[in-house]
Amino acid sequence: AQTVTQSQPEMSVQEAETVTLSCTYDTSESDYYLFWYKQPPSRQMILVIRQEAYKQQNATENRFSVNFQKAAKSFSLKISDSQLGDAAMYFCAYRSLLYNNNDMRFGAGTRLTVKP
Amino acid sequence: EAGVTQFPSHSVIEKGQTVTLRCDPISGHDNLYWYRRVMGKEIKFLLHFVKESKQDESGMPNNRFLAERTGGTYSTLKVQPAELEDSGVYFCASSQALDRDSSYEQYFGPGTRLTVT
Repeated sequence: AQTVTQSQPEMSVQEAETVTLSCTYDTSESDYYLFWYKQPPSRQMILVIRQEAYKQQNATENRFSVNFQKAAKSFSLKISDSQLGDAAMYFCAYRSLLYNNNDMRFGAGTRLTVKP
Repeated sequence: EAGVTQFPSHSVIEKGQTVTLRCDPISGHDNLYWYRRVMGKEIKFLLHFVKESKQDESGMPNNRFLAERTGGTYSTLKVQPAELEDSGVYFCASSQALDRDSSYEQYFGPGTRLTVT
């Protein structure tokens, strides 16, 4: 079964600085999706960025980018020019493409604090 | 367009009582998922509906949990009787299609925080 590990329960970053959240996963599949979700306090989880495993190019969404290392099964999230609104719980997730495997597998989350 | 909504946002009940959580998916989304996050742990899959049918309920912890989706619209998750270990945040998510075009993205609700005392 696929597992997702986020080894950093908490991280902090100074406003305008860069921070990297780590995520590793375990799978025997060759094609899959990886996601980073953000959950601000008392608000719903929203998708930050997604990556298809067969695409070698790292996904980028404005200040958010990933470092996808397929062989190492690593999927870290880099937040550049951190803003106060980036403070949230961040979840890394894996999504199999097998027909009968439709659920997301999540890590335990990393709580990001942004210091002004 | 309204997102996924969940009710209530927070529920506090005593051990042995019954609680029913509700999820309204995004209109037109056939796929509906329930997840649970116990404090400090990962978010775990509970089950998946396609319209009104249970596609996968392998994550349901035991028979005290009953999920329904009558008519293929909103879904309810009932816990009866509740135990202390049922405390956590219950998330609902929905998605339109299971294909690459949608990137299999799931849209999440804000969650229901359940506290069993």
